[in-house]
Amino acid sequence: QSVLTQPPSASGTPGQRVTISCSGTRSSVGGNSVTWYQQLPGTAPKVLIHSNNQRPSGVPDRFSGSKSDSSASLAISGLQSEDEAVYSCAAWDDAIKGYVFGTGTKVTVL
Amino acid sequence: EVQVLESGGGLVQSGGSLTLSCAASGFTFSTYAMTWVRQSPGKGLEWVSTISSSSISKYYANSVEGRFTVSRDNSKRTLFLQMNNVRVEDTAVYYCAKERIQFLEWTSALDSWGQGTQVTVSP
Repeated sequence: QSVLTQPPSASGTPGQRVTISCSGTRSSVGGNSVTWYQQLPGTAPKVLIHSNNQRPSGVPDRFSGSKSDSSASLAISGLQSEDEAVYSCAAWDDAIKGYVFGTGTKVTVL
Repeated sequence: EVQVLESGGGLVQSGGSLTLSCAASGFTFSTYAMTWVRQSPGKGLEWVSTISSSSISKYYANSVEGRFTVSRDNSKRTLFLQMNNVRVEDTAVYYCAKERIQFLEWTSALDSWGQGTQVTVSP
């Protein structure tokens, strides 16, 4: 099963901006909405961004998403200690008729 | 409040069978596609299967196709995953999750997740 490619790690100091990339294919990211999930240690994933750039109610506006062609990005501005988590992108893949997750990026606040 | 609660996990020998259940509440279960996602220790999220609201459409990851069967009982607001011929590599926490968009036949965004149920397959 194909997966979406993310960097394994990212880090920043409090207040900094961190960006995470997500690379897919035309049939996945290129043709469908991207969702970003945040997974805090020991908990289930939570939707951070859906429909490429939409934040559910309750998600701080420090989090933003974008998409261009077959790639997507998640930006965290004003990094806070509670943002330490694993972030995964995901999208439906029309070619395989399945939902593909990114490889996950662990964000560390220095 | 939307809630999904998995059960049925446990220890099973390689080649054996197990059925996971997911009880849903707080939303109109019969109008949302539901999905199983698993996570092996220290690994990323892996999509397992999605079933549409009416059960007409069912999708499986290559890794479980032919061994796992997804089903649902809308009258009981319950989702199932029948796992046959399990392998050591099926060891993971299995999550049940609800699709965000009503009446969508596939998965776009999973907006409510259970706490997961542990499945351990011994050699």
